[in-house]
Amino acid sequence: QLVLTQSPSASASLGASVKLTCTLSSGHSSYAIAWHQQQPEKGPRYLMKLNSDGSHSKGDGIPDRFSGSSSGAERYLTISSLQSEDEADYYCQTWGTGTYVVFGGGTKLTVL
Amino acid sequence: QVQLVQSGAEVKKPGASVKVSCKASGYTFTSYAMHWVRQAPGQRLEWMGWINAGNGYTKYSQKFQARVTITRDTSASTAYMELSSLRSEDTAFYYCARDRESIAVAGLPGYYFDYWGQGTLVTVSS
Repeated sequence: QLVLTQSPSASASLGASVKLTCTLSSGHSSYAIAWHQQQPEKGPRYLMKLNSDGSHSKGDGIPDRFSGSSSGAERYLTISSLQSEDEADYYCQTWGTGTYVVFGGGTKLTVL
Repeated sequence: QVQLVQSGAEVKKPGASVKVSCKASGYTFTSYAMHWVRQAPGQRLEWMGWINAGNGYTKYSQKFQARVTITRDTSASTAYMELSSLRSEDTAFYYCARDRESIAVAGLPGYYFDYWGQGTLVTVSS
């Protein structure tokens, strides 16, 4: 079964960097994912599609501070030079061969 | 610029139906699939289904297959999601989201989303 696992919370200081993790379930390590950001009281915003080889394609207007990388079944979102507006929920999302879509549980990022 | 603007909040009684609209602008509506995703309070995002805005073909999540209908009006560049037999557990924000890849080119959606609507809160309460 295709499942995405994320840590419920993360925190980092203003101006620092943070690396969020999304883990694909066993047998699905080759799958691409997408990262989305959801700021408080807003709809989600697409950040990037991240492939298993670490290549990624960002959404329109996404700053260079946001980058993605991959290792095995892990997919990472790194945010550098953290700003207050980066405080948000971050969701990873993938899709299965049965043409269905799966979301991770989300990571709530706090900027200290 | 691409924009998806959804209809306003709804309050419905159990057993009723709700229809949410999503008006698209800034791109060729019929060239992309539109998905619907919901988020119940404290829950993760949940995919409901998609429509090929060009030919009207739909595909639904097994969970919602019996109760959801997604349609579109190409003349109005608007997609709709109707959910029937509402129950309290259907209380959630409902989002439309545009597929990233042009279905007119690829023939199939990419199954990931690059623009989202602002969300519509549907409250189901007696």
